[in-house]
Amino acid sequence: QVQLVQSGAEVKKPGSSVKVSCKTSGGTFTSFAFSWVRQAPGQGLEWVGGIIPMVGTAAYAQKSEGRVTITADEYTSTVYMELSSLIPEDTALYYCARRYWDWGQSKYHFDYWGQGTLVTVSS
Amino acid sequence: QSALTQPASVSGSPGQSITISCAGTHSDVGAYDYVSWYQQLPGKAPKLLIFDVTDRPSGVSDRFSGSKSGNTASLTISGLQAEDEADYYCSSYTSTSTLYVFGTGTKVTVL
Repeated sequence: QVQLVQSGAEVKKPGSSVKVSCKTSGGTFTSFAFSWVRQAPGQGLEWVGGIIPMVGTAAYAQKSEGRVTITADEYTSTVYMELSSLIPEDTALYYCARRYWDWGQSKYHFDYWGQGTLVTVSS
Repeated sequence: QSALTQPASVSGSPGQSITISCAGTHSDVGAYDYVSWYQQLPGKAPKLLIFDVTDRPSGVSDRFSGSKSGNTASLTISGLQAEDEADYYCSSYTSTSTLYVFGTGTKVTVL
């Protein structure tokens, strides 16, 4: 049974940082790539960035680049997203999502999603 | 990388068919057959409905179907049911450094 279980809600001050985790189970961790997708209140979905644990490479949306760092721990099958220099516009529900990855045979859709972590940025 | 363009809302009566469009560019929808569609019920995480333009994961009703022409993809829901009321998002892999782009979202209402 595939599960992506995310850490709990966070309330942060502007200018601070937040680190959200996504613990995965069901399936071989290194057979997948993981992305973070956020959804501001009442708004649509926005890709923040992703990581391929097998090769350790991360990619970020242009909008987030420089403030976001995505890492993966193969030993605990956990993916992390750290967002720094927080601004009120970062207030959103952050989802982790999984896609199948393999050399030359990757998939480009997200088949399982975490439950979401609400990050609120407010003074 | 701008969001893909979807109609804000689409409605239909039970049993009818509706189609949601998803307009992109030559850098995303037009570049790859990696368009996917997600259904999001209120307060829930998105659920995969369609991948690779036309394919359905196991367990998804065949009332949902996808297609693509040029830079525009479409999702059709046939035999509309009350349980189909939700927000729907398209997504595409892109050729830019922002690897994925989502649509603006469409709220489906069953009259």
